[in-house]
Order: sequence, then structure tokens, then C-alpha cells
Amino acid sequence: EVQLVQSGAELKKPGESLKISCKGSGYSFTNFWIGWVRQVPGKGLEWMGTIYPGDSETRYSPSFQGQVTISVDQPSKTSYLQWTTLKASDTAIYYCARLAMYGSGTYLLYFDYWGQGTLVTVSS
Amino acid sequence: DIQMTQSPSTLSASVGDRVTITCRASQTISSWLAWYQQKPGKAPKLLIYKASTLRSGVPSRFSGSGSGTEFTLTISSLQPDDFATYYCQQYDTYLTFGQGTKVEIK
Repeated sequence: EVQLVQSGAELKKPGESLKISCKGSGYSFTNFWIGWVRQVPGKGLEWMGTIYPGDSETRYSPSFQGQVTISVDQPSKTSYLQWTTLKASDTAIYYCARLAMYGSGTYLLYFDYWGQGTLVTVSS
Repeated sequence: DIQMTQSPSTLSASVGDRVTITCRASQTISSWLAWYQQKPGKAPKLLIYKASTLRSGVPSRFSGSGSGTEFTLTISSLQPDDFATYYCQQYDTYLTFGQGTKVEIK
């Protein structure tokens, strides 16, 4: 069974750093792109970026380029989403999700499996 | 960037109704469109990809159509489990979601 299990909720202060995680299981982790999606409470879905665990090739949405860093650790089958300086506007639920095709040919795909989401709250 | 616009934003319907949600792209995306269902407090679930291909296990009352810039998601007979928010997503250039359509009980 394909599963993506994300780390728990975080409460941080503006200016702090944060790294949240997404652990894959039940499939060949290195052969499927993983994406990150933001959802501000009560709002819609926004694609942030994607990474191919096989070679760490990463693509970012122009809206999030330079604002976050996506990374992967192959041995632990885990992807990470990282901020160096959090802002109140980063308060949201963050989902990781698998892109639905084996291989690195393209990240232009749809998401077939999703993590449960990580709520990040940034407040002084 | 390709913008995706869904209509309506909210839809009130009754069990058994036929429901149609529209998604328009700001430029042509061929058939590179997916539909998702999201319930409160839960992650989205994939329903349809490549505009009209039903994901395995998704009830056949869901269907998708369209190509180019205009797409529809149809629920042929709304069931109690279908009250949720629906999102379209294009994957032609970058990845972009529509703003969502909430299907609520009339």
C-alpha cells in the first residue's frame, strides 16, 4: 500500500526556521516525483515545487522559488520542505503528494497519493 | 502562468441531482487536467486525470470531459458522500489548481 506519512503540527515564531518531512512507503520511492502543496486554512491548493528522489532534480513554482527548499534523503525515503525565516503568512497546511508516473521523464503530472498534511502555524 | 478558473464557487444541490462543475484554463492545456475531491480536514483525493480518465476505484457517477481550455466534472446522481470541495489542476505548464468549487447540501 502506497503511503506518505508527514511530520506533526508545528507552532513557530516569525523569523524561526523549520523543516517538515514526508516519508514514503509501499512503492519505489526513488522513481516517482514528490510534490509539495500549500493550503492556507479555508483557501485553495497551491503547488510549491517537486523533487525527483532518484537524482534530487527539483522544480519550483515561480511563486515559491527562493522562499523554500525542497530536499530528499534516499536511504530514509523521506522528502523535506524547509524554511530559513518563517513569516506569519507561511501559516498553512502543507501536503506532500506523489506524482503519478514511474520515472523522471517529466514532473508535469497529477498527484495520485497524498500525505495527511502538516499544519504550520507561525505566530508571535 | 496558466490560470484555472472554476465555476461556480459554491453549488447547492440535493441527493440525486446531476451536478456539473466547469474549469476554464487561460490558455490551451490539451487534455492535461485532473480533478480532485477534498473533504474538511482531509487531503485531496484524485478522481479523474487526462480530463476524462476515471481513476480506478472511483464511482462511475463521476465523469470528466473537455479539452483545450474548457473542462467539466459531472456527478450524475449526487450521493451523500459527494458533498465536498472539488478542484481542477492543469499539468501542461507548471502545475496550477483552480480555486475550488464547494458542493453543499441544498
